[in-house]
Amino acid sequence: ETGVTQTPRHLVMGMTNKKSLKCEQHLGHNAMYWYKQSAKKPLELMFVYSLEERVENNSVPSRFSPECPNSSHLFLHLHTLQPEDSALYLCASSRTTDALEKLFFGSGTQLSVL
Amino acid sequence: AQTVTQSQPEMSVQEAETVTLSCTYDTSESDYYLFWYKQPPSRQMILVIRQEAYKQQNATENRFSVNFQKAAKSFSLKISDSQLGDAAMYFCAYRRGMDSSYKLIFGSGTRLLVRP
Repeated sequence: ETGVTQTPRHLVMGMTNKKSLKCEQHLGHNAMYWYKQSAKKPLELMFVYSLEERVENNSVPSRFSPECPNSSHLFLHLHTLQPEDSALYLCASSRTTDALEKLFFGSGTQLSVL
Repeated sequence: AQTVTQSQPEMSVQEAETVTLSCTYDTSESDYYLFWYKQPPSRQMILVIRQEAYKQQNATENRFSVNFQKAAKSFSLKISDSQLGDAAMYFCAYRRGMDSSYKLIFGSGTRLLVRP
């Protein structure tokens, strides 16, 4: 158990639906991340938040909208997704955004877009 | 652009034996960090070991050690006395040392099977 909790564990949605993924950490970390893990591609960084401020958006389409209301919670709001967006979405946190910091990952949300 | 390559999609090892997972990377930077992460069936990725590029000494963590060859841009992971719980996907990752770069670049992973 890494201390990072993601819900839901599985999600099936249609292309016209709106849904949200939730990530929670109580490790006292100041940085939180969203990663996408597809079957055919290496893990890709999507967004980085440091002290609740978004510091990186890795060219992610606008149909993915992150939100970090406080340092313990991170959301990923989804709308009008495409089937190719089906993937495992992993949340991670770290004490700071320093390069050597250890990332603590959640178990991910397996998303299927029909 | 930096890239990380793991050329072994799958490896198999007998319990209690030693196995080495390969990783090469490409970068023009001199300041960077390298990591090995493990992803068991629970999907929760866990840091196994990390190495600062400026350190010549290879990192070790209990049964896990690395062979860091900076000139060859190689960063292999050795698992000694393999255990059934070591069965997982293993990802090699790279990150630039600059604070302005938050991106951890991952390889495609190696699935490790442990035979009892």
